[in-house]
Amino acid sequence: AQSVTQLGSHVSVSEGALVLLRCNYSSSVPPYLFWYVQYPNQGLQLLLKYTSAATLVKGINGFEAEFKKSETSFHLTKPSAHMSDAAEYFCAVSEGYTGNQFYFGTGTSLTVIP
Amino acid sequence: NAGVMQNPRHLVRRRGQEARLRCSPMKGHSHVYWYRQLPEEGLKFMVYLQKENIIDESGMPKERFSAEFPKEGPSILRIQQVVRGDSAAYFCASSPRAGDGYTFGSGTRLTVV
Repeated sequence: AQSVTQLGSHVSVSEGALVLLRCNYSSSVPPYLFWYVQYPNQGLQLLLKYTSAATLVKGINGFEAEFKKSETSFHLTKPSAHMSDAAEYFCAVSEGYTGNQFYFGTGTSLTVIP
Repeated sequence: NAGVMQNPRHLVRRRGQEARLRCSPMKGHSHVYWYRQLPEEGLKFMVYLQKENIIDESGMPKERFSAEFPKEGPSILRIQQVVRGDSAAYFCASSPRAGDGYTFGSGTRLTVV
């Protein structure tokens, strides 16, 4: 079975500071891992995904995430926060091509302080 | 290439009425998924369909909820006799193959009054 845990439902950072959003997963098969961003009253936009290639994945808007199998983690980082990064972020896991569905974490709301 | 189109964006229904939510997948995508997002929660899987077939409905409530993806036309999520607890954002996603390449629509926000 797959599940995702996002530590910290709310994270605040100053503009220009490092962004770190945590995600741990459990999976009985090699996972595919995803980060999505959701702006208010909008759908989910894919930031990046890990599908068993390079463990450091670069996404859009300067975000990146590193797959660490030993820690079952897939934390999202960005070196310098921008005001436009304020949004809800969701980590998700799937079983890849054998899976029918995504399992989402409960989300982390990122606030950027000017 | 238009993305996943969901309509309506907002839907208000009185208790006991029916709600019909529509989802048109991206061109070339034959896999459709419905998710529900309750306030302050992540998205929960409801159902996975391919054209004319329900592949996995393990996340669908047993009563009042149904989904279809006909040969022609959009996928429909139907909720009969809505209750206040059905108020949520319902998201549709489509993909060219199972488990990857998801694209989400902007969702339908259902409010039951």
